[in-house]
Amino acid sequence: GAVVSQHPSRVICKSGTSVKIECRSLDFQATTMFWYRQFPKQSLMLMATSNEGSKATYEQGVEKDKFLINHASLTLSTLTVTSAHPEDSSFYICSAGGVNSPLHFGNGTRLTVT
Amino acid sequence: GENVEQHPSTLSVQEGDSAVIKCTYSDSASNYFPWYKQELGKGPQLIIDIRSNVGEKKDQRIAVTLNKTAKHFSLHITETQPEDSAVYFCAASTPDDKIIFGKGTRLHILP
Repeated sequence: GAVVSQHPSRVICKSGTSVKIECRSLDFQATTMFWYRQFPKQSLMLMATSNEGSKATYEQGVEKDKFLINHASLTLSTLTVTSAHPEDSSFYICSAGGVNSPLHFGNGTRLTVT
Repeated sequence: GENVEQHPSTLSVQEGDSAVIKCTYSDSASNYFPWYKQELGKGPQLIIDIRSNVGEKKDQRIAVTLNKTAKHFSLHITETQPEDSAVYFCAASTPDDKIIFGKGTRLHILP
């Protein structure tokens, strides 16, 4: 069964609004979770590393004020896309795991901004 | 930083034949190499992984080989079946546990 749960699977929002995506680790604690973005027919690009109890670290070129990450517990990380625009439309995927266990991915969230 | 190259980008194989996907990585400090299968509209699913202290690993029809000296690793699928059709990604784990992906290989199994 799934070890990482992501919600929602699909969301459509209007331009200028914010959207929150949840990522939960099931049956294990994850001090670190990762957020990826994937455009159609492309690879997964790491956006940021979510650290439980501290600030997320963002990859170069990713706006931290636009993609707010909160990792308030050992099993939950959230990604909020603020003031969404059509170019933010993408497939967002979270993952959890690490050195001592394989990295597992959620089933992704398809965001469409109209 | 780590850079992972993957080829081919597309691969068509007759059902029952073998498929091979090859990857190279740049950071000699990388020590964990997972392979993921992604079906349309879903997240990547881990299918096999290998750590740097091992040269080969096999799980039924799937095998992975690693050459640390050359920084090459490969995925081998034998006796391919229609359900093997998907996009496959190789990846390498950096010392700070980030997973960096290759660009993916779209595998088509032909009937």
